[in-house]
Amino acid sequence: DAGVIQSPRHEVTEMGQEVTLRCKPISGHDYLFWYRQTMMRGLELLIYFNNNVPIDDSGMPEDRFSAKMPNASFSTLKIQPSEPRDSAVYFCASSIGRGLASNEQFFGPGTRLTVL
Amino acid sequence: GENVEQHPSTLSVQEGDSAVIKCTYSDSASNYFPWYKQELGKGPQLIIDIRSNVGEKKDQRIAVTLNKTAKHFSLHITETQPEDSAVYFCAASPAGGTSYGKLTFGQGTILTVHP
Repeated sequence: DAGVIQSPRHEVTEMGQEVTLRCKPISGHDYLFWYRQTMMRGLELLIYFNNNVPIDDSGMPEDRFSAKMPNASFSTLKIQPSEPRDSAVYFCASSIGRGLASNEQFFGPGTRLTVL
Repeated sequence: GENVEQHPSTLSVQEGDSAVIKCTYSDSASNYFPWYKQELGKGPQLIIDIRSNVGEKKDQRIAVTLNKTAKHFSLHITETQPEDSAVYFCAASPAGGTSYGKLTFGQGTILTVHP
């Protein structure tokens, strides 16, 4: 398996533009997580899904952020409109959610977002 | 909700020395405690984990200990090598309920191993 795949790896955009980050979880994993990492706030959970259904979105900073998981192999995190304070590295992770290794999360390489 | 505190924030050791990173957690319902290593420009990777029915777990030069009564757990790296230099994160996760599968991470420890 190729692991968790994220695209793009780097994104530079201007304030006010819409940004869409993409994630393909590991096949067979039931859980998908979106995290944001900054120097100031560390690694923050934004939202997570179980079997494509959003379970907890309490970490989503505001209405400008939205996430979808239309099927088991694809998820998007959208920021509209983007602001400079959204600049961060965004990680997607997935886990099996079943059995002994149920909690282990596998992280993607991240998307480095810069909003000018 | 769960709160995880991690110390120290930075740790500098000489090659061959041991390194210890400590974490405390607040939710007694947590039962899964992983440690992740993050190298520059990469996503965090699991290096070792422990569940609440075990007090200690070892994997070569890495060990983790758990004290459920005191709600703290620690990562021990022996015979450190320069390639151990990275950011290390602890995390905690509940056994079940509505937060099942959700990890709460500590703030991270920057470990530097000097040759």
